[in-house]
Amino acid sequence: SQQGEEDPQALSIQEGENATMNCSYKTSINNLQWYRQNSGRGLVHLILIRSNEREKHSGRLRVTLDTSKKSSSLLITASRAADTASYFCATVPIQGAQKLVFGQGTRLTINP
Amino acid sequence: EAQVTQNPRYLITVTGKKLTVTCSQNMNHEYMSWYRQDPGLGLRQIYYSMNVEVTDKGDVPEGYKVSRKEKRNFPLILESPSPNQTSLYFCASSLGWRNNEQFFGPGTRLTVL
Repeated sequence: SQQGEEDPQALSIQEGENATMNCSYKTSINNLQWYRQNSGRGLVHLILIRSNEREKHSGRLRVTLDTSKKSSSLLITASRAADTASYFCATVPIQGAQKLVFGQGTRLTINP
Repeated sequence: EAQVTQNPRYLITVTGKKLTVTCSQNMNHEYMSWYRQDPGLGLRQIYYSMNVEVTDKGDVPEGYKVSRKEKRNFPLILESPSPNQTSLYFCASSLGWRNNEQFFGPGTRLTVL
């Protein structure tokens, strides 16, 4: 069953603007990861945030995690056309099967 | 170059004709898994392997088999493919499953007629 749910399902912004995507999940987690997928291609890992971390940065990416609300957000600052892709959150549950549980993804379009 | 490779990348086949999709990684990863991606359903795990000779079912294992005889290889076998197995398939690997990023292959687009 899918645990992560991204919001919005689709987002279209102008180049240079910031893009924010949200992810909610249901059970306690060990960590949460964000991945990017260009159309029809393999997923690429962006960032991993552990359950005891609240915020993490990587270049133009900022990820927050609120375990009390079971939610995470991914912020991409100063967006570029090359950021156009689908973004997925994936959770590693504390209990249960040894796997990542992916959400449905957010389709991000950056308009030049 | 560290990578996960899959073959074939594209395949059109007919119902009932056995096929194998190969997956290989060169990073000495212990954990490997197979996913299928379908519109509106996201990525769903088919099978995973914690190490050589250790495999287990994911969320949608019906109609699929796997084996892990060597650390680097994790083939996905469809003994008797059916049209509902038409999908985009991804192999992934990681050092361990819990605290490590997963590296994904480029995908195999399978069509079963």
